[in-house]
Amino acid sequence: QLHLQESGPGLVKPSETLSLTCNVSGDSITSTSYYWGWIRQPPGKGLEWIGSIYYSGNTFYDPSLKSRVTMSVDKAKNQFSLKLISVTAADAAVYYCGRQSTSSIHPYYIDVWGKGTRVTVSS
Amino acid sequence: DIFMTQSPDSLAVSLGERASINCKSSQSLFYSSNNKNYLAWYQQKPGQPPKLLIYWASTRESGVPDRFSGSGSGTDFTLTISSLQAEDVAVYYCQQYYHYPPYTFGQGTKVEI
Repeated sequence: QLHLQESGPGLVKPSETLSLTCNVSGDSITSTSYYWGWIRQPPGKGLEWIGSIYYSGNTFYDPSLKSRVTMSVDKAKNQFSLKLISVTAADAAVYYCGRQSTSSIHPYYIDVWGKGTRVTVSS
Repeated sequence: DIFMTQSPDSLAVSLGERASINCKSSQSLFYSSNNKNYLAWYQQKPGQPPKLLIYWASTRESGVPDRFSGSGSGTDFTLTISSLQAEDVAVYYCQQYYHYPPYTFGQGTKVEI
């Protein structure tokens, strides 16, 4: 059974870099049937898609975050990662990783979600 | 960006009654080449991650009770819970995956008893 688990610091200082990893178990991150995505949810608010990555390294990012976001895949460890630079209070949220069905051209819906990790931005 | 607008923001339904949530897209989500609408519905209970209920506007995810159904095409979609159960109390989100990036979600609809 597929399981996704986010990990990373729960507290990040303003202007610093948020780094999260999603460990994938029960499936190979090199599957051609899926993209792997990051979604966040600010406290008390709705869902925001951040970006998605294919095992080949092909990425799609939210244009509003694109200048600050980098996603990567580590095939050997079967995990993928998110880096968000220059964080502000507006980046505080629960961050989810997820598996996105795909035609291999572009990602579709998110069929499996991690439990999420809460990130606070504060000095 | 494609804007997804859900209505209502919240609704209260008696146990066993029908609940309907609407989702309107600012652009069509219908792709004529494959005759599909690129819309999904998710359920999020407090303290939990979202859960996929419906994709391609009307295809129920495996394991989702058949009281959940999705309908609509183009820009107007509906999630219906035919007979509300206590465990259906949650926030429901629609999401488009046709026009990207970004993939966009509706603002959410809170369903209460």
